[in-house]
Amino acid sequence: QVQLAQSGAEVRTPGSSVKVSCNVSGGTLTSTTVSWVRQAPGDGLKWVGRIVPLFETAHYAQQFQGRVTITADESTNTAYMELRSVTSEDTAVYFCAREVGMGAFDIWGQGSLLTVSS
Amino acid sequence: DIQMTQSPSSLSASVGDRVNITCRASQNIGNSLNWYQQTPGKAPKLLLFAASSFHSGVPSRFSGSGSGTDFTLTINTLQPEDFAAYYCHQSYQTPHTFGQGTKLEIK
Repeated sequence: QVQLAQSGAEVRTPGSSVKVSCNVSGGTLTSTTVSWVRQAPGDGLKWVGRIVPLFETAHYAQQFQGRVTITADESTNTAYMELRSVTSEDTAVYFCAREVGMGAFDIWGQGSLLTVSS
Repeated sequence: DIQMTQSPSSLSASVGDRVNITCRASQNIGNSLNWYQQTPGKAPKLLLFAASSFHSGVPSRFSGSGSGTDFTLTINTLQPEDFAAYYCHQSYQTPHTFGQGTKLEIK
């Protein structure tokens, strides 16, 4: 069955960038819409954006527009989320998730913790 | 953006109880409403999609109802493993948005 495996925890200083990966196994990335969702410590879930490899399109939440880029490398079955100019408010666990049918997220990666600290 | 208002934010109940969690959308979203369960340190798990359809492997004590703007997640006969956080999620349009979450605790 399809599984999503994410890269490990990252520590960044304010103003730097981070790129988190999400490898799809048991299926092909081409046919998989991948969303990114983040969760700040003790907080709820917030959608960051998604990539639709089949149509080579990405969509982003307005809050992150201009600072985030989501890409897909179909040769390695891996989706990426790059976040630039990070601040302490970007400290969170970032999840990738497969979006299916009516838009539900049925399979999730294990999460990647980003810590932003000077 | 569509705002999702979930209530209550926290809930205390006992094993064997029945609980309801509600979610209200700021506009009509049809049945594009999904429910997730999350335990500490883990990724969310999909329970129900399209308001009332079971995701594979989800126990039948979970059920969902509603359409348009008002939705309810019902958990019958609470089991110890059900004490967790629950989130609603609208997938009607981007940006996808979530409710603030409900923390279900043991009384």
